[in-house]
Amino acid sequence: DAGVIQSPRHEVTEMGQEVTLRCKPISGHNSLFWYRQTMMRGLELLIYFNNNVPIDDSGMPEDRFSAKMPNASFSTLKIQPSEPRDSAVYFCASSQISNQPQHFGDGTRLSIL
Amino acid sequence: DQQVKQNSPSLSVQEGRISILNCDYTNSMFDYFLWYKKYPAEGPTFLISISSIKDKNEDGRFTVFLNKSAKHLSLHIVPSQPGDSAVYFCAASSPQGGSEKLVFGKGTKLTVNP
Repeated sequence: DAGVIQSPRHEVTEMGQEVTLRCKPISGHNSLFWYRQTMMRGLELLIYFNNNVPIDDSGMPEDRFSAKMPNASFSTLKIQPSEPRDSAVYFCASSQISNQPQHFGDGTRLSIL
Repeated sequence: DQQVKQNSPSLSVQEGRISILNCDYTNSMFDYFLWYKKYPAEGPTFLISISSIKDKNEDGRFTVFLNKSAKHLSLHIVPSQPGDSAVYFCAASSPQGGSEKLVFGKGTKLTVNP
């Protein structure tokens, strides 16, 4: 079975540019999560969706960040405009509802110069 | 304020010995706890979990112990193998926070020496 697929694996761009990260969850999973990992703050939940509907976006740092899930098999996390402090590894995870363990993708390493 | 703390950034053990990774939490409403393992350049992988109605859960070489009064959980790996070398994350959730919303510790890097 294919796991959670994230693209791109690495992204290097200049500050001010728009960045779009993509995620394909595991087929049949109802919940999708976006996390950010930094040395200072560890792994933090940014936003999560149930059945394509955003449930909790309290972890989204600023209005520059937005996430969408247009259908059950695709989600995007967008940063516009990007800043150097957004540099981090961004993970997407999915799970079936009701306390099932989350399955993580391999992440996107984002560097904003 | 960190609700889930892994106070040891790193741990080194000999192959065949026991590895004990510790995790403390501050939120008494947490009722579900998980351990994840992460290799470099990969995402975290679920290892084992425990509900607050239990104090122990075992899966092969991995055992998680929960001490609710001390707000402490630990992961025991016996015997440790070189392939267990990875970063281990403790995570917790609460019904109030949304049972799907996990709070992670910062991780402990385990090195198992041959």
